[in-house]
Amino acid sequence: AQSVSQHNHHVILSEAASLELGCNYSYGGTVNLFWYVQYPGQHLQLLLKYFSGDPLVKGIKGFEAEFIKSKFSFNLRKPSVQWSDTAEYFCAVILGRGGGNKLTFGTGTQLKVEL
Amino acid sequence: EPEVTQTPSHQVTQMGQEVILRCVPISNHLYFYWYRQILGQKVEFLVSFYNNEISEKSEIFDDQFSVERPDGSNFTLKIRSTKLEDSAMYFCASTGLETQYFGPGTRLLVL
Repeated sequence: AQSVSQHNHHVILSEAASLELGCNYSYGGTVNLFWYVQYPGQHLQLLLKYFSGDPLVKGIKGFEAEFIKSKFSFNLRKPSVQWSDTAEYFCAVILGRGGGNKLTFGTGTQLKVEL
Repeated sequence: EPEVTQTPSHQVTQMGQEVILRCVPISNHLYFYWYRQILGQKVEFLVSFYNNEISEKSEIFDDQFSVERPDGSNFTLKIRSTKLEDSAMYFCASTGLETQYFGPGTRLLVL
């Protein structure tokens, strides 16, 4: 079955440290890739997405992600995290093209940024 | 900016009772979804809805679950006879094409 893996379940960083969260998916066909963020007490918000084109995508709040097709990966990065980035981060995949397809989520990574 | 809204934000119910969770998707969106997140677990797909019918459902979405779009704005999830294991956060989402936008969720607690 298709799946999405996030390798880091809990990450603790100091402010200004660089961040990279791993995401791998298992599906050989066309995919649309997403990173969502869930701040404490809030709902899922879209950080960035990749459908096609430049594999390096930039999202909100200084986040970016790189799609590496050969590695089935879509890792999230931020050069310098802030305390306000403390949240849970979810990688998600839509398999195939066309509207209406479901999102398959990874297990999430809880990021804590310390002052 | 338009957003998906959900009511109630919290619901506590007794096992065996029926609950209805309500969602108002973004107005020009065509596809609607329910997902759930059991505490400490990942977000799981339940069902998708398009053109007034279910387009896909997961194994979780058994006969106890149903969805409905009773009017032009609301999208509801009904659980007929709740079980303890239905306790979770339920998220509604909608999309015009490919990007799904999520509501704030309803936290359901079954006692």
